[in-house]
Amino acid sequence: GEDVEQSLFLSVREGDSSVINCTYTDSSSTYLYWYKQEPGAGLQLLTYIFSNMDMKQDQRLTVLLNKKDKHLSLRIADTQTGDSAIYFCAETAGTALIFGKGTTLSVSS
Amino acid sequence: DTGVSQDPRHKITKRGQNVTFRCDPISEHNRLYWYRQTLGQGPEFLTYFQNEAQLEKSRLLSDRFSAERPKGSFSTLEIQRTEQGDSAMYLCASSSQYGYTFGSGTRLTVV
Repeated sequence: GEDVEQSLFLSVREGDSSVINCTYTDSSSTYLYWYKQEPGAGLQLLTYIFSNMDMKQDQRLTVLLNKKDKHLSLRIADTQTGDSAIYFCAETAGTALIFGKGTTLSVSS
Repeated sequence: DTGVSQDPRHKITKRGQNVTFRCDPISEHNRLYWYRQTLGQGPEFLTYFQNEAQLEKSRLLSDRFSAERPKGSFSTLEIQRTEQGDSAMYLCASSSQYGYTFGSGTRLTVV
């Protein structure tokens, strides 16, 4: 079945770049997503990438997709304390999204 | 219309009671989804509506759970005879073609 794996924790210093990695299993996923969740809140769509793309850049965010290895990454440049949150990778499985367990990003000043 | 609204934000109930949650999606979105999120986990898919038709249900949706979307607009999720294991955040999302928008969720605590 579908599965999405992420590392659970990442700690960086303010101003550094953060790279959050994700592997997925469903090669038929049309879109892959990154969501951000702050404590007690719902999920905020950060960015998504279409499966025929290798890279997508959106301001401080860069998404890299390696379809051969089914590997997705999210790079946050110049990480700020406000970026501290849980980041979820998600793949499409039919009409539903399959989420990883999330990576907790901790940014220290 | 600024996004997906869920009500209530928090619900504490005694085991065995019934609870009902409401979701108001983005008005032009015809697809609506319910997810459940427990501590330390990502959201898990429960069910999906296209307009008023419930097209897909996860095996997580036991017979104590029922969801409706009577006029293809708002949706309700009812849990009957709640159990402590039902304690979770219940998230609603809507979408048109792609790009799901999530509500802030309803946090259910069963005591």
